[in-house]
Amino acid sequence: KQEVTQIPAALSVPEGENLVLNCSFTDSAIYNLQWFRQDPGKGLTSLLLIQSSQREQTSGRLNASLDKSSGRSTLYIAASQPGDSATYLCAVLSQGAQKLVFGQGTRLTINP
Amino acid sequence: DAGITQSPRHKVTETGTPVTLRCHQTENHRYMYWYRQDPGHGLRLIHYSYGVKDTDKGEVSDGYSVSRSKTEDFLLTLESATSSQTSVYFCAISWRDSYEQYFGPGTRLTVT
Repeated sequence: KQEVTQIPAALSVPEGENLVLNCSFTDSAIYNLQWFRQDPGKGLTSLLLIQSSQREQTSGRLNASLDKSSGRSTLYIAASQPGDSATYLCAVLSQGAQKLVFGQGTRLTINP
Repeated sequence: DAGITQSPRHKVTETGTPVTLRCHQTENHRYMYWYRQDPGHGLRLIHYSYGVKDTDKGEVSDGYSVSRSKTEDFLLTLESATSSQTSVYFCAISWRDSYEQYFGPGTRLTVT
């Protein structure tokens, strides 16, 4: 059974810092891994999707990497801004499965 | 915006009453999903659909049923609501089962 873990549960950093959010998964047989952002009381916004054959994806100040062999993904946020404050979730789609398995999320606060 | 709407956005109902939540999409996606989000449990799949009249169970399907009579609509029904079904319900869509998922704004359901 696939399990997804995100550590830490919460992170607070000053504005302007570069930061890394971590996601680990137990079964390396995955189709893809997706990073989402969720603002309080809102739905999930897809940030990046990494297919199993890819090592990384970039969108603006965001860069997500994938290392299947070690069961890890990281989301790198460059030059953080207060507007980046949100909960970030990673989710894994395993091979042969029809459902995403979500981590519990990292609540990120960027202090002005 | 992936063209997903959910209705109602908020609902309070009493234990034992039936409740139907609606997910509507405008972009002809084949796959549709219902999730619930709860503190301490994260996001969990309830049911999903891979076409009109084609549905299957997720990991927390007990007490829920679904129907999809048109491509654009996916209905989630709680036949007899219980307090344990108090949650935020999210609908999601994707082109294929291994493709990126996009989420709706959510429905906050309270069962008293």
